[in-house]
Amino acid sequence: DGGITQSPKYLFRKEGQNVTLSCEQNLNHDAMYWYRQDPGQGLRLIYYSQIVNDFQKGDIAEGYSVSREKKESFPLTVTSAQKNPTAFYLCASKPGQGNYGYTFGSGTRLTVV
Amino acid sequence: AQKITQTQPGMFVQEKEAVTLDCTYDTSDPSYGLFWYKQPSSGEMIFLIYQGSYDQQNATEGRYSLNFQKARKSANLVISASQLGDSAMYFCAMSDLYGGSQGNLIFGKGTKLSVKP
Repeated sequence: DGGITQSPKYLFRKEGQNVTLSCEQNLNHDAMYWYRQDPGQGLRLIYYSQIVNDFQKGDIAEGYSVSREKKESFPLTVTSAQKNPTAFYLCASKPGQGNYGYTFGSGTRLTVV
Repeated sequence: AQKITQTQPGMFVQEKEAVTLDCTYDTSDPSYGLFWYKQPSSGEMIFLIYQGSYDQQNATEGRYSLNFQKARKSANLVISASQLGDSAMYFCAMSDLYGGSQGNLIFGKGTKLSVKP
């Protein structure tokens, strides 16, 4: 079945460490997205990519980095520069330029210990 | 600037009754899409319903319908015959192609719906 796989489901990070969250899709979607969700809040856009080897900052990109070397993969690195990384992270994808057809992964819950 | 407003942080509804979740939006783009998602405690985002700005009729999907009032910039979700499994967070979202969101989804802060037996 086609979909988006995020791993791991739970992730614990020590302060000062970089961690990478995985997002893989087999939907042949062109666009991919990373969102952050804090408790009781909506989703905020971190980074997005419309095509391979290209990505743009979203509303809260500081302290995060991404890469898009393959169409199916869009990993997110939470760097030590991100001061408050504890949150729920959701990856999404969409086919092409239209505004329909978003698919979400099941999320990664990151906790700083 | 593009914005989604959900004014109800929490709602209660009796099982088998209907409930309306409010959503207003703001965009200058004439071409946009409106979405509702359900997020249970597991965290996954479940797509419920979509309304395009040029759609003449209100969207419906089973027990879900979207009350689209374009002039008021309102896109309320109506859930008929509520079930205990409907208890979750509900998010309204918008995507416009040529406005500030550049095709990206922007979300409201959500409404927590609790269904009482």
